[in-house]
Amino acid sequence: QKEVEQNSGPLSVPEGAIASLNCTYSDRGSQSFFWYRQYSGKSPELIMSIYSNGDKEDGRFTAQLNKASQYVSLLIRDSQPSDSATYLCAVKTGANNLFFGTGTRLTVIP
Amino acid sequence: KAGVTQTPRYLIKTRGQQVTLSCSPISGHRSVSWYQQTPGQGLQFLFEYFSETQRNKGNFPGRFSGRQFSNSRSEMNVSTLELGDSALYLCASSSRVWASGANVLTFGAGSRLTVL
Repeated sequence: QKEVEQNSGPLSVPEGAIASLNCTYSDRGSQSFFWYRQYSGKSPELIMSIYSNGDKEDGRFTAQLNKASQYVSLLIRDSQPSDSATYLCAVKTGANNLFFGTGTRLTVIP
Repeated sequence: KAGVTQTPRYLIKTRGQQVTLSCSPISGHRSVSWYQQTPGQGLQFLFEYFSETQRNKGNFPGRFSGRQFSNSRSEMNVSTLELGDSALYLCASSSRVWASGANVLTFGAGSRLTVL
């Protein structure tokens, strides 16, 4: 079992819709969770971090964390074509190792 | 403020050769981490250096090594290259050592290595 699992997609949503990206992790001792966005040919950039159960909102992005179920999700409201990218979930485990999922490729259709 | 700078951006090597990649972190950042990114495996952690000391190491063979200099610049070396080493190698810097708590990684543009 991989430490961090993501659906590789591709996930296609129409412009203006909500995109929902999901991630599960295996280490129950994990405390820090991150979402990175990676455009094709570019390096990952941090868009959200979350440390406590519940929702964290930042503009059109909402990160959701459920430690009991060991999942993290990212919602993108009012999706724009510029949101088309690969979204990487990263989890810092109890042993302080950072594991990345393989990423979900999102395409927003104009 | 300059970002994380990696050189070279692209390089082609043949099997058996060795390669050295360089990373200059954001000014003031003392932690440098290296990752390998491939389509099948995603981002995999290689090692982290902080204040010239290796603080953490991923599950890679000994052919992969690194070091950090007093100015926080870091290099990674891969010896006896194999075809499977073809990947994007990403460097990330942080102001604090990774294990210290909630901190943020800022990635460089990467060095794309092709092994023929």
